[in-house]
Amino acid sequence: SQQGEEDPQALSIQEGENATMNCSYKTSINNLQWYRQNSGRGLVHLILIRSNEREKHSGRLRVTLDTSKKSSSLLITASRAADTASYFCATDQAGTALIFGKGTTLSVSS
Amino acid sequence: EAGVAQSPRYKIIEKRQSVAFWCNPISGHATLYWYQQILGQGPKLLIQFQNNGVVDDSQLPKDRFSAERLKGVDSTLKIQPAKLEDSAVYLCASSLEIYGNTIYFGEGSWLTVV
Repeated sequence: SQQGEEDPQALSIQEGENATMNCSYKTSINNLQWYRQNSGRGLVHLILIRSNEREKHSGRLRVTLDTSKKSSSLLITASRAADTASYFCATDQAGTALIFGKGTTLSVSS
Repeated sequence: EAGVAQSPRYKIIEKRQSVAFWCNPISGHATLYWYQQILGQGPKLLIQFQNNGVVDDSQLPKDRFSAERLKGVDSTLKIQPAKLEDSAVYLCASSLEIYGNTIYFGEGSWLTVV
């Protein structure tokens, strides 16, 4: 079953622009995580935000969490061609493993 | 620190044949996962182990899929007999604790069933 759903499905931007991806989920969560997957590779963890947190930063990444709206957003500032990848949100509830969404495919052109 | 190792990376088999994938998690990680990722979709959990015990296998098609982690370290995932719809990437992952922490993925094993 799919818990999170990313929006948009695909995003194309120019280098230097900001990229924003959104994730909505259906039921209460303990944590929400964002992962990146380059073509043909495994997933790489980007950031974890707990249900009692509202915002976290890591380098050029900013993640927000709104538990009242059951949604999260991932902002990548000053995008680079190397940011081209698929981005997945994943949620966990008490006593469950991570459940992933379908992902947003980001294409950054130079 | 070595990452999650998986083999083989690529496998092409005919339908009704069998295939096995192997995974070696990060040293010290008690929790091991197998996810199935069909092209264009997010990973779907097949099975989760804590040491050598199964925590969750509710989405594992048990009539054809089996997985084991006998000594609480390496794991194998087997498909027998394979169907066309089993064509996917099989991702092994591990984590230090059972819930609420970062999961580390291997590069995946790509299966094509023809």
